[in-house]
Parts: sequence; structure tokens; C-alpha cells
Amino acid sequence: GQNIDQPTEMTATEGAIVQINCTYQTSGFNGLFWYQQHAGEAPTFLSYNVLDGLEEKGRFSSFLSRSKGYSYLLLKELQMKDSASYLCAVRDSNYQLIWGAGTKLIIKP
Amino acid sequence: IAGITQAPTSQILAAGRRMTLRCTQDMRHNAMYWYRQDLGLGLRLIHYSNTAGTTGKGEVPDGYSVSRANTDDFPLTLASAVPSQTSVYFCASSDSGEGHGYTFGSGTRLTVV
Repeated sequence: GQNIDQPTEMTATEGAIVQINCTYQTSGFNGLFWYQQHAGEAPTFLSYNVLDGLEEKGRFSSFLSRSKGYSYLLLKELQMKDSASYLCAVRDSNYQLIWGAGTKLIIKP
Repeated sequence: IAGITQAPTSQILAAGRRMTLRCTQDMRHNAMYWYRQDLGLGLRLIHYSNTAGTTGKGEVPDGYSVSRANTDDFPLTLASAVPSQTSVYFCASSDSGEGHGYTFGSGTRLTVV
């Protein structure tokens, strides 16, 4: 079966750095996505990785290792507005997105 | 309209009633999707459409139907609602580009009683 694993919840301090991990087992691989979802709102696109390595976008970076079936999302200089759920999704061989259950990130002052 | 519009925003529905959730996009995206999101579970795909005139079943299609008469509209119908269909429903669309993520509508919160 296909499976995406992420921690259920993480807590971090404002101004700090946090790393959210995602491991996957899917039928084929055609890219990995990270989305941010604030409570009661729709998910919004953060990043896309298809090759191994690090993609940086401002305070957010995403890393991929296809051989390990592993990705992480790194958030730097945390702000209170970063409190949200972070969803990892993998596009499989049928070009369908398989979603993790999401990691709820709580930022404390 | 900018992006994807879903209607209604929320609805309380009696079990056994028929209900259509509306979804319209103005981005001319080829592919459209319906997901449900339940607490503790990931987004689960109900139905999808890769292009106008075609539809496909996702992970949890039972009790739901869709149509795609044109590029912009992708309605989801619950023929006879049951309490287990209480959920938040998201419509999404995507362009055909490799790195393009999905754009989501704001969601419909449906409660079946």
C-alpha cells in the first residue's frame, strides 16, 4: 500500500528553527509537495521537490532524498503566523497526489 | 472570481437527502479534484477529472458522483447523504506543468444529521 508518515504535532519557539520530517512509500514517484494549512482554511502550496537536494524559498526550505523515501521542511526565524498544519504529499506513478495526515505546528512566544 | 470558488461554505443536511457541492475555477486548469478532509486523516481523493468530459474514481468514491461538462465546473453530488459523509470537502485544480501544485477552494463544511 501507499503510505506517507509525518509527526502529528510539533511545538517550537518564536524565532527558532523547526524541521518537519516526512517519509513515504508509494507506487512510483513523480515529485513531492509541501502545503501549509491554517485552521479552517484551504491548503496552500509551499514547495515542490523532484530531484534530490535542498530547495530554498525565503524562510522555508525543503529537502528530498528519493533513495531514502524521505523529505523535510525547514522553517527558519519562526513567526507566530507560521502556526498551522503542514501537509506532505507525493505524486505517484499515476500522477495522483498521496497525502500525509499533516503535522500541526504550534509556535510559542 | 479569482481561483476556485466553492459553494455552499457550510451546510447541515438531513440523512437521505440529495446534495450538490459546487466548484468553479477561472484559471483554465485541465485537472480538477474533489477531496474530503477528516480529523486525523490526510486529504482523501473522492473523484477527479483530468480534462473536460472525463472523470475518474479516487480512493473513496462510494456515495458520490461528479460530472465535468466544461473546463470550469466540477460539481460533486451526494445522491443520498449519510452521517459518515460529514466532513470538510475541498475542490482543487492543477495545471499540467510538472512542478505545479494544486490550487484549493476554500472548502465546504458539510454536516449530515
